Amino acid sequence: DTAVSQTPKYLVTQMGNDKSIKCEQNLGHDTMYWYKQDSKKFLKIMFSYNNKELIINETVPNRFSPKSPDKAHLNLHINSLELGDSAVYFCASSRAGETGELFFGEGSRLTVL
Amino acid sequence: QKEVEQNSGPLSVPEGAIASLNCTYSDRGSQSFFWYRQYSGKSPELIMFIYSNGDKEDGRFTAQLNKASQYVSLLIRDSQPSDSATYLCAVKVDSNYQLIWGAGTKLIIKP
Repeated sequence: DTAVSQTPKYLVTQMGNDKSIKCEQNLGHDTMYWYKQDSKKFLKIMFSYNNKELIINETVPNRFSPKSPDKAHLNLHINSLELGDSAVYFCASSRAGETGELFFGEGSRLTVL
Repeated sequence: QKEVEQNSGPLSVPEGAIASLNCTYSDRGSQSFFWYRQYSGKSPELIMFIYSNGDKEDGRFTAQLNKASQYVSLLIRDSQPSDSATYLCAVKVDSNYQLIWGAGTKLIIKP
């Protein structure tokens, strides 16, 4: 039973398109995250929600919009995709306050052509 | 700017030897330290965390923390080819909800 699951695992799309990535966790955690990992493998936090409330909103273009319908789900919508958006996007979850003990999803590899 | 630095490697270690991975951090207020392992094409997985100065052992893994010198290290004893991965160091400053990540060290265990 997958703890943190993301869909889709792969996205290939053209510049200017809009895409969404969905994430669900069945660990009962209160906090969920979106991370971006670029080609140099550097992990960068984008957003964090605690019990549906946005608590971290890093300097990310407002083309990226997260949405948490409930504490088990966190989705990411990206408008007007650009070449530089190509990366692996990881969803993660943790118990409230345990921001270092993260459980990651398998990642969604986005390629913008 | 808070920073976490790791040697990108690759660090090549013969099978059965001790692999030593190091990480330095800039913020003296850092309180919690984490080591993640990431296999190629996979997601990061937490393997160790340490909060207090000294050593913490878990099986073949030992995390070492020296707050005065602002470094944290991970030792892997009896290295196995399956330990070949990128090891990511992450640091949390408790006044800040976020983790600060290093860029990772690629470890290769040679049979």
